[in-house]
Amino acid sequence: NAGVTQTPKFRILKIGQSMTLQCTQDMNHNYMYWYRQDPGMGLKLIYYSVGAGITDKGEVPNGYNVSRSTTEDFPLRLELAAPSQTSVYFCASSGAGGGYTFGSGTRLTVV
Amino acid sequence: GENVEQHPSTLSVQEGDSAVIKCTYSDSASNYFPWYKQELGKRPQLIIDIRSNVGEKKDQRIAVTLNKTAKHFSLHITETQPEDSAVYFCAAISEYGNKLVFGAGTILRVKS
Repeated sequence: NAGVTQTPKFRILKIGQSMTLQCTQDMNHNYMYWYRQDPGMGLKLIYYSVGAGITDKGEVPNGYNVSRSTTEDFPLRLELAAPSQTSVYFCASSGAGGGYTFGSGTRLTVV
Repeated sequence: GENVEQHPSTLSVQEGDSAVIKCTYSDSASNYFPWYKQELGKRPQLIIDIRSNVGEKKDQRIAVTLNKTAKHFSLHITETQPEDSAVYFCAAISEYGNKLVFGAGTILRVKS
């Protein structure tokens, strides 16, 4: 039982490049989330999903896209990377009513 | 939508003293309030949570209290130890989507 697995752990992107952050959970959770955490700051919700095929925007969705084709996977796509997207990205999953499990994070630097 | 405010932003205590972190929330329909501890470079880890049908919950040196009328909840850490030093986040669940809204965080430093 691995919980929530994120890859990669670290990545450096050049301005304008694209990439996909992968997130997989093995707890059969319906709810999945992507948060970003800037240095010294709290967590901001980018996108979330309440089940396969259903996604919705969070607080800071601009510059990102998601898909949820299966219960297990919730990839986050960055198109045209910008320095403002330099951050640590956390994926999380939960059952109904709370109880989030976080992945170990992806540290992204855009130069 | 839900808004969570957290105070103080930094807190320094002597080893063995108590620490209290307070949060207020805006959505009276919120019914789940977790607290997370985040060490440098690590993921947030759930340390305690409380649901709206109880007023207090305790787990060893950690306790959380909830005042639904005033819409605030607090984290209490007794007999603090250096390993309690970390950033602590409160959060509240927000309506549809089971979304957690986080406070801005409190940096706790325990001085030995």
